Amino acid sequence: KQEVTQIPAALSVPEGENLVLNCSFTDSAIYNLQWFRQDPGKGLTSLLLIQSSQREQTSGRLNASLDKSSGRSTLYIAASQPGDSATYLCASLARTGGGNKLTFGTGTQLKVEL
Amino acid sequence: NAGVMQNPRHLVRRRGQEARLRCSPMKGHSHVYWYRQLPEEGLKFMVYLQKENIIDESGMPKERFSAEFPKEGPSILRIQQVVRGDSAAYFCASSRDRGPHYNEQFFGPGTRLTVL
Repeated sequence: KQEVTQIPAALSVPEGENLVLNCSFTDSAIYNLQWFRQDPGKGLTSLLLIQSSQREQTSGRLNASLDKSSGRSTLYIAASQPGDSATYLCASLARTGGGNKLTFGTGTQLKVEL
Repeated sequence: NAGVMQNPRHLVRRRGQEARLRCSPMKGHSHVYWYRQLPEEGLKFMVYLQKENIIDESGMPKERFSAEFPKEGPSILRIQQVVRGDSAAYFCASSRDRGPHYNEQFFGPGTRLTVL
């Protein structure tokens, strides 16, 4: 059974700082790994998706890496801004039972302060 | 191309009533997934459906919950005789059959169910 863990659970940083969010998963037989952002009371915004054959993906100030062999992914946020404050979720897609399903971590709650 | 649509966005029910949550997948997507986010908990998989078929319902509670994805119309998640513990955000996602990144799931805005 896939388990996804995110560290830290909460993080508070001053504006402008570069930061790294960590995600680890127990079963390396995944199709892809996806990072989402969730604002309070809102839905999920997909940030980056890394296919199992890829090592990293970049979008603007965000960079996500994937190391299947060690069961780890990191999300790097450069030059953080107050607007980055949200909960960040990672999720791995694996084939279990009859089909594909995402297993989510419990998230890292990020606060970027002025 | 409209994204995944869910309605209602907010639903209030009294204990014992029925809740029906609807999800319209993105155009061209024939796979639908339902996830539940309980307060202060992570998102958990509930069920995976293709048109007219339930593929994987390993995350569905054994009683009171059912899901369908008919040939025509949206996918429905139905909760009978709701209890306070059913209060949560219910998210739907969809994906397509084939093509680049066919296994990427796109999420709707969610339905927030409150049981009084």
